Amino acid sequence: DAGITQSPRHKVTETGTPVTLRCHQTENHRYMYWYRQDPGHGLRLIHYSYGVKDTDKGEVSDGYSVSRSKTEDFLLTLESATSSQTSVYFCAIRGGLHTGELFFGEGSRLTVL
Amino acid sequence: TQLLEQSPQFLSIQEGENLTVYCNSSSVFSSLQWYRQEPGEGPVLLVTVVTGGEVKKLKRLTFQFGDARKDSSLHITAAQPGDTGLYLCAGAEDSNYQLIWGAGTKLIIKP
Repeated sequence: DAGITQSPRHKVTETGTPVTLRCHQTENHRYMYWYRQDPGHGLRLIHYSYGVKDTDKGEVSDGYSVSRSKTEDFLLTLESATSSQTSVYFCAIRGGLHTGELFFGEGSRLTVL
Repeated sequence: TQLLEQSPQFLSIQEGENLTVYCNSSSVFSSLQWYRQEPGEGPVLLVTVVTGGEVKKLKRLTFQFGDARKDSSLHITAAQPGDTGLYLCAGAEDSNYQLIWGAGTKLIIKP
């Protein structure tokens, strides 16, 4: 158990509304990641963090922002949700500093109507 | 852009059969990882291979890293229904250890 919890686990919202997903870790890991997973696309990196207030964009960052004010929490925000952002979102922490091994949360399923 | 091509995308076989899943790239990775994901859950790390030519075994699963560290394979012997799931490979880049992901192989083992 890597001590990662995501909330909410399921959310249905309407187009144009803001949404925030939370990732909480108890392991004090420096690196945290947000991915989205869609059929046919595998896992795609949205944003990642390498420390408190240190974040960077991934390959599909448009329409998303992140914040990390504490080591244990990494928030993903959709400022104005669109139907194309319907997906399953996974948070992960890096466990292997020199191999990039990741440990994932259980996922947050977001549906934008 | 680095790519990691995983094949096959889908595989449905009978219990007891053997199978192999492949991940191929034109790029060199510092390490390569295999994950397994069950419906409704996050991916779980199975193994990491680091050295070219390395072979690791996990019960009935055998993982191999290519000599040039560009490709990897996962071989399952005598597959069981409990092996059903989505298998993902991911290669780590040298510079920043960011992962390049394969699209996944959905494996179904029928009793």
